[in-house]
Amino acid sequence: SSELTQDPAVSVALGQTVRITCQGDSLRRYNASWYQQKPGQAPVLVISAKINRPSGIPDRFSGSSSGNTASLTITGAQAEDEADYYCNSRDSSANHLRLFGGGTKLTVL
Amino acid sequence: QVQLVQSGAEVKKPGASVKVSCKASGYTFTSYYINWVRQAPGQGLEWMGIINPSGGTTSYAQNFQGRVTVTRDTSTSTVYMELSSLRSEDTAVYYCAREYCPAGSCPDYWGQGTLVTVSS
Repeated sequence: SSELTQDPAVSVALGQTVRITCQGDSLRRYNASWYQQKPGQAPVLVISAKINRPSGIPDRFSGSSSGNTASLTITGAQAEDEADYYCNSRDSSANHLRLFGGGTKLTVL
Repeated sequence: QVQLVQSGAEVKKPGASVKVSCKASGYTFTSYYINWVRQAPGQGLEWMGIINPSGGTTSYAQNFQGRVTVTRDTSTSTVYMELSSLRSEDTAVYYCAREYCPAGSCPDYWGQGTLVTVSS
């Protein structure tokens, strides 16, 4: 099966813009969705190609994609955005399967 | 409102099996697939498998082939995930999540999670 690769950790100054990336061959064929997870909580969908931003997700969250890389951008990061972020897509090598990236820990300084 | 409510925490011995339930409400049960995802302590999300509640067809991640079985009961709008031959590495929080993107992957609503602890 394929893999989705994320940087383990990223930091951003309060109010600045940060991009979290996800790489994998599956992303050439399938859109990525993005999840935010805070300690002790279930993941929350923040971006998907079909829904874009679900209701209640601030518009500072946006997604984009190019080639084998998908990106989640937070424009004007807030303290409450500190969390783990995961990308997700179908597996292009076995398209009945799904994949998660390893996750990125975002620290807001 | 859409809700997925999972069964409570379990403690199992190595070699045993566990069956976790996920009861759906607030939408048409047979219209959306259900994913199972787990998260070991301090680790990332791991996709386990998926079921089409309409026909009952399933797909499983290679890591779990032969050990995981996902079933559904349409009369109660409940999906079940059974994991057998448990080992300590199966200690994790197990989540069910509704699949909103049938042509892709974007689970939108998640259960609250069920902690399964495997310990002798």
